Amino acid sequence: GDSVTQMEGPVTLSEEAFLTINCTYTATGYPSLFWYVQYPGEGLQLLLKATKADDKGSNKGFEATYRKETTSFHLEKGSVQVSDSAVYFCALSARGNKLVFGAGTILRVKS
Amino acid sequence: ETGVTQTPRHLVMGMTNKKSLKCEQHLGHNAMYWYKQSAKKPLELMFVYNFKEQTENNSVPSRFSPECPNSSHLFLHLHTLQPEDSALYLCASSDGTSGGLSGANVLTFGAGSRLTVL
Repeated sequence: GDSVTQMEGPVTLSEEAFLTINCTYTATGYPSLFWYVQYPGEGLQLLLKATKADDKGSNKGFEATYRKETTSFHLEKGSVQVSDSAVYFCALSARGNKLVFGAGTILRVKS
Repeated sequence: ETGVTQTPRHLVMGMTNKKSLKCEQHLGHNAMYWYKQSAKKPLELMFVYNFKEQTENNSVPSRFSPECPNSSHLFLHLHTLQPEDSALYLCASSDGTSGGLSGANVLTFGAGSRLTVL
C-alpha cells in the first residue's frame, strides 16, 4: 500500500542553520505530495504541496521538489528561525481524498 | 468562528465512561475526517465522511463510533475505552471535490482533543 517514510528526529539546529528533512514515498500512480507543520498545542497546517513530478512547492522560506525518479520530497530551508520549531509531516494523496502521513520529524531550533 | 473547531480540547475519562468529541467546520467543506495521533507513530486515519456518508472506516474498534449529522459537524462517540486509546484526536475537513483523481486534496485540521483514558 501507499506509505511515507521520513527521517527520525528530533533534529536540533542553531538559528540560521540550513535545514533538510528527508521524505521518501511508495505509491501506485502519481500521488500529490505535501508537507504539513504542527506547532505546539495546535493542529496540522499545510506548509506546501506539489502535484506532479519536478514541481517545487514553497512557502515561508521552505521548499520541496517532487522527485519521481527517487520518489522523494525533501524539505529544505536555507536559514531556520526559533519560530520554525515544530513537528513536520510529509504526506501523500494518491486516490481520492485519502491522505497518508509519515511519522513526523521534530525540529528544535536554538537561539 | 472560522476554520475547524474541536471540543473539548482536553478530556480525561475512565474505561467505563461514555463521552463524545465534537468537531465543527465553517469552511463549506463536504468531507470530514477523524485522525488519531499517538506518540512516535504516524497519524492514523480513522474515518472519512463525504457529504455526510461514511466512506472510510480504517478497521477502527467499535468502541469508537462516529456520527456526521451534516456536512459541518462530526462527532466521535467514545465508550469502554482502553488506556492505549489515549492520544490526540484530530478532526479535519476538505473540499473533497477538489481532489478526485488528481489527489491534490488539502486538509484543514482542528487543534485536536487530547484524550486520556485512566
